[in-house]
Amino acid sequence: EPEVTQTPSHQVTQMGQEVILRCVPISNHLYFYWYRQILGQKVEFLVSFYNNEISEKSEIFDDQFSVERPDGSNFTLKIRSTKLEDSAMYFCASSLITSGANVLTFGAGSRLTVL
Amino acid sequence: TQLLEQSPQFLSIQEGENLTVYCNSSSVFSSLQWYRQEPGEGPVLLVTVVTGGEVKKLKRLTFQFGDARKDSSLHITAAQPGDTGLYLCAGSRTNAGKSTFGDGTTLTVKP
Repeated sequence: EPEVTQTPSHQVTQMGQEVILRCVPISNHLYFYWYRQILGQKVEFLVSFYNNEISEKSEIFDDQFSVERPDGSNFTLKIRSTKLEDSAMYFCASSLITSGANVLTFGAGSRLTVL
Repeated sequence: TQLLEQSPQFLSIQEGENLTVYCNSSSVFSSLQWYRQEPGEGPVLLVTVVTGGEVKKLKRLTFQFGDARKDSSLHITAAQPGDTGLYLCAGSRTNAGKSTFGDGTTLTVKP
């Protein structure tokens, strides 16, 4: 079954460092998303991406965050200068809109720990 | 702000019991999904409902979308220890828009 793959599975970084999280969405999917989940909290929307541009972003997705689809397969999330509160699981998701529903396939996540 | 409230937050039952988890909102959603999430993994889709009043069954799981498309329920019949996990509802207001997640219901089924 097709799956969304994410790397790294776990990254530890120092506060202020740049981090890039990588995702390979399902090949025929057109919409791509990043969500995050702080330990013990709900899954929160960060950004959606379609047709090589951001289609929607949340208040969390400030100037420190950026996304890119550098080639036909990868979808990346960059955090320019990490803060302690950026520690979380980051989930990439992709979707192929069918039957009027937004059905997301999630990756296994990248755990980011900022020290 | 679209909020999805799930209840109960925690549920611990014995094997063989039935249970219902609720997902409520004041907003109308074009579709609503139920996911299950294991520790350290991403949410895995169980079902999506689109039509108000829709009922879907997945083995011992029954999902219902409210007539007004503002709420949903997940009913599990004869729960098993393998059903243990975090159950999340998520709604989206447009076909490709963001999904708003509920806080989740942590289910523990004791053998």
